[in-house]
Order: sequence, then C-alpha cells, then structure tokens
Amino acid sequence: NAGVMQNPRHLVRRRGQEARLRCSPMKGHSHVYWYRQLPEEGLKFMVYLQKENIIDESGMPKERFSAEFPKEGPSILRIQQVVRGDSAAYFCASSPAEYSNQPQHFGDGTRLSIL
Amino acid sequence: AQSVTQLDSHVSVSEGTPVLLRCNYSSSYSPSLFWYVQHPNKGLQLLLKYTSAATLVKGINGFEAEFKKSETSFHLTKPSAHMSDAAEYFCVVTLYSSASKIIFGSGTRLSIRP
Repeated sequence: NAGVMQNPRHLVRRRGQEARLRCSPMKGHSHVYWYRQLPEEGLKFMVYLQKENIIDESGMPKERFSAEFPKEGPSILRIQQVVRGDSAAYFCASSPAEYSNQPQHFGDGTRLSIL
Repeated sequence: AQSVTQLDSHVSVSEGTPVLLRCNYSSSYSPSLFWYVQHPNKGLQLLLKYTSAATLVKGINGFEAEFKKSETSFHLTKPSAHMSDAAEYFCVVTLYSSASKIIFGSGTRLSIRP
C-alpha cells in the first residue's frame, strides 16, 4: 500500500529554468495539497486540488507558479523561470475526503535547489 | 482568524525523561488539531489528531496530547524519551469545512541527550 510518492527527491535548476514537481497521491485519495517549507520554518499551504479542479490556490504566488491534477496521472507543481528564492522543500499531501478532520498523508518532499 | 503557536523552537531532554512540546491555538470555531513529526529529509508523519471526541488523545510511539479548551492548548507529551524521538514536531490547526485552511506551527526541534 504505497504512500504519497513524490519525484524527484532532489531537483537542481539554474535561474530562469523551469521546475516540474510530481506527486502521486495514496491509492483512493482524490484530494491533493502542496506545501512549501523554507529552512527552519514550518510548512506553508500553497494549493489544494481535486481531480481536474483547483479548489484553493490562495497560497500560490501570483506569477510563475501553477498546479494541476489531471484525470489521469500525478499532480504537477510547475515553477517557471525559477529564482534563488524558490529554493525550498516542496511537500505534497493527500487525503480521502475534503473535510479538514481527515489527516493528510505526506510524501517525502522534493528539495529544489536553484543555482 | 485562526493561528497556532508553538512556544518552544527547541527542546532538549535526556533519554528516559518526560517530553513536553507546547502548542497554543486560536480559532473562532471548533478546531481540528494534529501533531506531526518530521525526521530529517523526510515528509511529515501523523502522530495524533483531535477532532472533538475525547480530549486526551493517544498517538503512535507513546505520544499523547490533551485538548484544553479553556487554555486553548494542545500540548504533546511522552512519559519517557527515546533517542529515536529526535525530530521536528509540528502542531497543526484546521478549520472544519475548509480543508485548505490549514495552519502549521513553526515547529519544535526535539533533541535527546544520551
């Protein structure tokens, strides 16, 4: 029973390149959440998606960042024209239902480094 | 508005002694509260959750937490620390019916002295 799978685990990009982070939720989970964690800080909510729908993107930067969760395949967090400040750990979580009393299950994260 | 405050950024205890990690929250509605643990270079693992049932919640690895509405606290405790407990711990509050409004505390790093 695989958990939340994120890949790659580590990603290095140069300034101006694009970064694509993938997340496959747990089996049976249709709700996906993306978080960003800066060094020595907690997680900051970015976006909440269900299959083919963005439910809440209030935590997403207005530019360069986008997310999708297609009907088939993993959820993708895409960062265009990366800058040094995008260096962080990005975590994906999934849950079986939309209500907040359901715990989220987390992947091991993608550590993005910008040169 | 809701918020969560972890009162200690770093706690150090000796192996075999009790652990107390403090968390206070602020919420206009009945909150759901969680504690997660994060080991280095890993994701977050759920330790326990409170969702308006029993106020004393037992979790994995011997941890437990007590929801005290009058004090707006949800402190995490363990009677006897083990070396493997060294990690970062996050207190999380969510607003029921709004799955995306999830607030993480800034974390408490727990160190265990031999």
